[in-house]
Amino acid sequence: ETGVTQSPTHLIKTRGQQVTLRCSSQSGHNTVSWYQQALGQGPQFIFQYYREEENGRGNFPPRFSGLQFPNYSSELNVNALELDDSALYLCASSLISGGNEQFFGPGTRLTVL
Amino acid sequence: QQQVKQSPQSLIVQKGGISIINCAYENTAFDYFPWYQQFPGKGPALLIAIRPDVSEKKEGRFTISFNKSAKQFSLHIMDSQPGDSATYFCAASSASGSARQLTFGSGTQLTVLP
Repeated sequence: ETGVTQSPTHLIKTRGQQVTLRCSSQSGHNTVSWYQQALGQGPQFIFQYYREEENGRGNFPPRFSGLQFPNYSSELNVNALELDDSALYLCASSLISGGNEQFFGPGTRLTVL
Repeated sequence: QQQVKQSPQSLIVQKGGISIINCAYENTAFDYFPWYQQFPGKGPALLIAIRPDVSEKKEGRFTISFNKSAKQFSLHIMDSQPGDSATYFCAASSASGSARQLTFGSGTQLTVLP
């Protein structure tokens, strides 16, 4: 069974740029959630995708957007990067929409200069 | 009302001791309470979870105690080992529409001394 994988591991961008982060869900999992974890804090929910549609969103602006593909993999896109977007971005997959157990990937460390 | 409050922020325990981390919540719609362990540079790993219809759940050295009336839950790590040194997060979730999002506490950095 393959766990959740994310790419890239690290990324450095400058303010105003756009970034795309990628996630492959655990084998058999069809729901993907994205979280932002600032340094020294707990993860914060960004949004969740199921059946290629966003079906839940946290308190994040529209410049945070995502996609889910037919193979259940997902992308997180962030436009007009701000310094405060520097964080660890975590992807979590679960078996079905509404499923309790969410399994996290290793994350992508984004630094915005 | 969506917050989960976690304490202490940091904890130092001797090898073989008991580590206790506490969390409190306000939202009575929460119906699932997991604990995650996170090592530096890694994503959070699910340790153990409980539903509010159960007051205690034990898996190996890890035990969750749940007090529904007080809206509090805690993680006990028995016989703590240096390898347990990590950051621990409590979390809570409820179904919002069809989505189930986790609300995390602020984390506890546990150090187990050899």
